[in-house]
Amino acid sequence: DVKVTQSSRYLVKRTGEKVFLECVQDMDHENMFWYRQDPGLGLRLIYFSYDVKMKEKGDIPEGYSVSREKKERFSLILESASTNQTSMYLCASSPNRQVKKNTEAFFGQGTRLTVV
Amino acid sequence: QKEVEQDPGPLSVPEGAIVSLNCTYSNSAFQYFMWYRQYSRKGPELLMYTYSSGNKEDGRFTAQVDKSSKYISLFIRDSQPSDSATYLCAMSAPGNNRKLIWGLGTSLAVNP
Repeated sequence: DVKVTQSSRYLVKRTGEKVFLECVQDMDHENMFWYRQDPGLGLRLIYFSYDVKMKEKGDIPEGYSVSREKKERFSLILESASTNQTSMYLCASSPNRQVKKNTEAFFGQGTRLTVV
Repeated sequence: QKEVEQDPGPLSVPEGAIVSLNCTYSNSAFQYFMWYRQYSRKGPELLMYTYSSGNKEDGRFTAQVDKSSKYISLFIRDSQPSDSATYLCAMSAPGNNRKLIWGLGTSLAVNP
């Protein structure tokens, strides 16, 4: 069974803290994504990675960075957490389209981050 | 104008009703169309996947794509309370296989 695992379901952090959100997938997928989801704004792409050590900015990368040292793991880093980064964070993975026809994304359960 | 438009609802229907959920889009290059279901406080899960135009059926769910109108639909027959969730449409274009463009999601409540 396809599995994307996010390290925490709920996190509470203080303003200014450095925050790490971890995501691991066991499907050998090339692509991995970090989204945030807010009411009325839907899913917004923060960063994605299509290979180890490769990354591309999504639509809202400001205030975030990412790391992909191994194929199965994709980390989202909030360098200095702020209250406007309070959100649901979702990690997803998908296979490369050249490899498989079905390129749908598979999601983790999400991390509800609250910055106080 | 957003690339993908989806009415957020909420949509409330009685159990057993036929539900129609829709998205419109502006980019004629989109060829891959997906519907995701998201229960409260969970990640989205893929429900239906369609390539290009036409219909696809899976049990009580039917996905339709009308590329000439840039319009996609998801129909749920004999709706059940367990279908209560947010339904998100997503789509992508060839050559841009890494990024999905998302609708905002429609909140559906099926009342017993």
